[in-house]
Amino acid sequence: NAGVTQTPKFRILKIGQSMTLQCTQDMNHNYMYWYRQDPGMGLKLIYYSVGAGITDKGEVPNGYNVSRSTTEDFPLRLELAAPSQTSVYFCASSFTGFGEKLFFGSGTQLSVL
Amino acid sequence: GQSLEQPSEVTAVEGAIVQINCTYQTSGFYGLSWYQQHDGGAPTFLSYNALDGLEETGRFSSFLSRSDSYGYLLLQELQMKDSASYFCAGSYYGQNFVFGPGTRLSVLP
Repeated sequence: NAGVTQTPKFRILKIGQSMTLQCTQDMNHNYMYWYRQDPGMGLKLIYYSVGAGITDKGEVPNGYNVSRSTTEDFPLRLELAAPSQTSVYFCASSFTGFGEKLFFGSGTQLSVL
Repeated sequence: GQSLEQPSEVTAVEGAIVQINCTYQTSGFYGLSWYQQHDGGAPTFLSYNALDGLEETGRFSSFLSRSDSYGYLLLQELQMKDSASYFCAGSYYGQNFVFGPGTRLSVLP
């Protein structure tokens, strides 16, 4: 099994550009999450989804959008990129949301210049 | 929102035992997880405690005390490859997982 797959691994954006970070999982997990991690810091939840068609905001949703049209895919959209969005982004999934193990993708290093 | 606290850095020598503490806010809390992250890598799951007491997985053990709002990760027989950041993560009703700021462990030869 591939687990959680994120693309791209690295990206440089100019201020004001937009992009979509892709995330797909092949474990039939209901819950999917997007986190960002700034250097030397913990992970902050951006958005999460409890199943296809259902999404909700996390702690730091401003400047981002998500959709969940299938169980497998959970793309993160950045609109009008700003330097404050320079970070490492991790997608994760779990079968339920009740404290069990999170499976993480390998991350996307994004720089906004 | 909820927050968790853990020391920013811990240093120990190879073969030693180290304990990384984590305190958390109790409102809506139902469990504590631990994750390991090597530089440039993704977090990987180590353990989860929903009940008070000790959970052991090989060289790693995790402990939870609900009455003290406190947990710890215990790493035994430290190896160089254990040098990494360790995050506690609280599971809260309605808020999913809330991660602590991380503890950077340096293992010296």
